[in-house]
Amino acid sequence: EDQVTQSPEALRLQEGESSSLNCSYTVSGLRGLFWYRQDPGKGPEFLFTLYSAGEEKEKERLKATLTKKESFLHITAPKPEDSATYLCAVQAGGYGQNFVFGPGTRLSVLP
Amino acid sequence: AAGVIQSPRHLIKEKRETATLKCYPIPRHDTVYWYQQGPGQDPQFLISFYEKMQSDKGSIPDRFSAQQFSDYHSELNMSSLELGDSALYFCASSLDTDTQYFGPGTRLTVL
Repeated sequence: EDQVTQSPEALRLQEGESSSLNCSYTVSGLRGLFWYRQDPGKGPEFLFTLYSAGEEKEKERLKATLTKKESFLHITAPKPEDSATYLCAVQAGGYGQNFVFGPGTRLSVLP
Repeated sequence: AAGVIQSPRHLIKEKRETATLKCYPIPRHDTVYWYQQGPGQDPQFLISFYEKMQSDKGSIPDRFSAQQFSDYHSELNMSSLELGDSALYFCASSLDTDTQYFGPGTRLTVL
């Protein structure tokens, strides 16, 4: 069974304090790993797609990396507006496969 | 850029009533997914459609049904509503079952 875990469950950072969020997965044939940001009561906002181990992608203060068993979302010098829940999802190989989401990491960045 | 549209945004129903949620995918996207997200939980996959055919099925109750129409919009029909059906319902769309882009969600409250 495909599984996704994320750690930590919650993270509180001071503005400018860099850190990393972890997403560990077990899936039969990874087709893609996806990072989303979700604000309360809103739909998940797409951040990154990673397809193969060693791949890295960056967007502003965020950088996502992928290994064969986990992915990291690095946040450099975060700002209060980066506060949100960050969700990781995996898509298994095969046609029309749905996403399996992790429980998310609730990030709070204090000014 | 056009995004996924969901309607209504909020819906209040009584127990045992029926509800219909609508989703309009991003233009040219051929796959639609439905997710249910309870308070403090990650999105749980319900069902997906590719080119108007059901492509995958998750934890969708028998009381729920869905379809995708010729214009690619999708509707989630929910009958005999229960208190536990209160949740955020998200629709997502993708092209060729790749990255999923989520709509703003419909908040369903069952009284």
